[in-house]
Amino acid sequence: DAGVIQSPRHEVTEMGQEVTLRCKPISGHNSLFWYRQTMMRGLELLIYFNNNVPIDDSGMPEDRFSAKMPNASFSTLKIQPSEPRDSAVYFCASSSGARRFSYNEQFFGPGTRLTVL
Amino acid sequence: GNSVTQMEGPVTLSEEAFLTINCTYTATGYPSLFWYVQYPGEGLQLLLKATKADDKGSNKGFEATYRKETTSFHLEKGSVQVSDSAVYFCALSEGGGADGLTFGKGTHLIIQP
Repeated sequence: DAGVIQSPRHEVTEMGQEVTLRCKPISGHNSLFWYRQTMMRGLELLIYFNNNVPIDDSGMPEDRFSAKMPNASFSTLKIQPSEPRDSAVYFCASSSGARRFSYNEQFFGPGTRLTVL
Repeated sequence: GNSVTQMEGPVTLSEEAFLTINCTYTATGYPSLFWYVQYPGEGLQLLLKATKADDKGSNKGFEATYRKETTSFHLEKGSVQVSDSAVYFCALSEGGGADGLTFGKGTHLIIQP
């Protein structure tokens, strides 16, 4: 398996522009997670989906952030408009999290390094 | 809410030294505990896990024991190698991994030859 695929790997944009990050989970996995990593705050969960349905988006910092999962093999995280403080590494992870309280490993993608100037 | 506290480092050791990275947690329920490792330029990889009290997770010479009485999950290795240089994250999940993970800030480990 190719693992979790994220694109682009690096993105440099100017403040105010729209940014779209993409993720392809491992085939057969039904849970997908978006995390953000910064020096100041470490790794934070932004949102996660089970069976394409958003379950918990309480970590999404503000309305400028939105995430979708139109099908089991694709998800996007969009920032509009982007700001310099959004600069971070964004990770996508997936798991076969079919049952609560049954451990299922989360597999992480390589991340997208976003720089907003 | 849930939280994880770990020593941030950097921790610098000589090859073959003994390693301990402390991790303590706060959780409202009965979480599963994890250690993830991140090599430069890569995503996180699961290193080991423990899902109930007194469980010992182990992998690649690393070990950690789930201590409910002290709410701790310290990572240890008897003899580190240069290739162990990485950032190590302690994490918890109350859903066994089905829910999102709560991470510590990460500990940067540097092993010198």
